Amino acid sequence: QVQLVQSGAEVKEPGASVKVSCKASGYTFTGHYMHWVRQAPGQGLEWMGWIKPNTGDTNLAQNFQGRVTMTRDTSISTGYMELTRLTSDDLAVYYCARGSALGESPTPHEYWGQGTLVTVSS
Amino acid sequence: ENVLTQSPGTLSLSPGDRATLSCRASQSVSNSYLAWYQQKPGQAPRLLIHRASSRATGIPDRFSGSGSGTDFTLTISRLEPEDFAVYYCQQYGSSSWPFGQGTRVEIK
Repeated sequence: QVQLVQSGAEVKEPGASVKVSCKASGYTFTGHYMHWVRQAPGQGLEWMGWIKPNTGDTNLAQNFQGRVTMTRDTSISTGYMELTRLTSDDLAVYYCARGSALGESPTPHEYWGQGTLVTVSS
Repeated sequence: ENVLTQSPGTLSLSPGDRATLSCRASQSVSNSYLAWYQQKPGQAPRLLIHRASSRATGIPDRFSGSGSGTDFTLTISRLEPEDFAVYYCQQYGSSSWPFGQGTRVEIK
């Protein structure tokens, strides 16, 4: 069965960076886009962007360009999202979610990771 | 970027009631690539509807979606206790995949 397992909660100081991982299993990792979505406490869902695991190509939401890097390690079927220059506004749960199959019609997020809480505090 | 606006912000209903949730896009959603999700506290979102009106695997038929262009609707025909949650729409398949701000369905 498809599973996305994320790394554990993080506490970072303002100005620091955080890197969240998402390990995929139950499907061909390089065959589907991987997306990242965040949710601040009590707020809605915010789409951050995607990575194409076979090439490493990324597409980031405008709000995150210059501060987010998405990478992957195909040898261990894991995607990563790094967010730099953290502020209190970055306090949120960060989710990975499986996207469309490459070369197929677009499909939304049927599978999600469990979420990773990132706390920014001095 | 397409902006999705959901209404109402909160819907107060009783079990057995019909719920009608709206999602309006600032630009036409191509190919009706519009999805609906349900989210309960402490959980990841759950996909309900894709392509505006197709139920995802395992979703009960009391959930239905409709619409095209810029106006979309999620209908829950008879609310069950487990349906009280927050619902989000999302445009997908373009360069940006924005979400609406959500509609909370609460028990009256």
